Amino acid sequence: ETGVTQTPRHLVMGMTNKKSLKCEQHLGHNAMYWYKQSAKKPLELMFVYNFKEQTENNSVPSRFSPECPNSSHLFLHLHTLQPEDSALYLCASSQDLPYGGNTIYFGEGSWLTVV
Amino acid sequence: DQQVKQNSPSLSVQEGRISILNCDYTNSMFDYFLWYKKYPAEGPTFLISISSIKDKNEDGRFTVFLNKSAKHLSLHIVPSQPGDSAVYFCAASGLTGGGNKLTFGTGTQLKVEL
Repeated sequence: ETGVTQTPRHLVMGMTNKKSLKCEQHLGHNAMYWYKQSAKKPLELMFVYNFKEQTENNSVPSRFSPECPNSSHLFLHLHTLQPEDSALYLCASSQDLPYGGNTIYFGEGSWLTVV
Repeated sequence: DQQVKQNSPSLSVQEGRISILNCDYTNSMFDYFLWYKKYPAEGPTFLISISSIKDKNEDGRFTVFLNKSAKHLSLHIVPSQPGDSAVYFCAASGLTGGGNKLTFGTGTQLKVEL
């Protein structure tokens, strides 16, 4: 079993649909993240949660809505997306240390296609 | 402005030879650096890291070198194996303030040929 699991692995949704991506980490970490990877672009940080509290929102449009009910679970709720939102969405976790030097561990990603 | 740059989008190496992947950064506040490997349709896998108090870190076939004055790091893989064929991402973060924010490069596609 991998340390960070994401479901679904593939999702096709229409622009008027509402769907959610789910992430669960089994590493006992206290921080969780959503990253986006689009073609030919670097990985983009979207959201960071530390101890269930959102500490970073990297200017993400409101059509992406994260939810972190506890330190092990993270959701990304999607509604009225655009075709340009099609990408690989990666969940990650880390043990956030006050002196930095954190190593982030990724899930396998959810491929999202907006039609 | 891209703060972490991997200027070679691809690299081809023969099996058994050394692979050298390069990464440059511009932010002098970065002092923790990581390399990730990514296969198609999978998430990035952590490979090796180095903090700025070191100039070299070795783990098996993988060695990362850090040149702080040049703001440059490199990943050496020796000997290269076909299973090493993947995209390699360099990432950086600051130890002070924002240690959990990684900035990634665009990646280098490594192909190890038989």
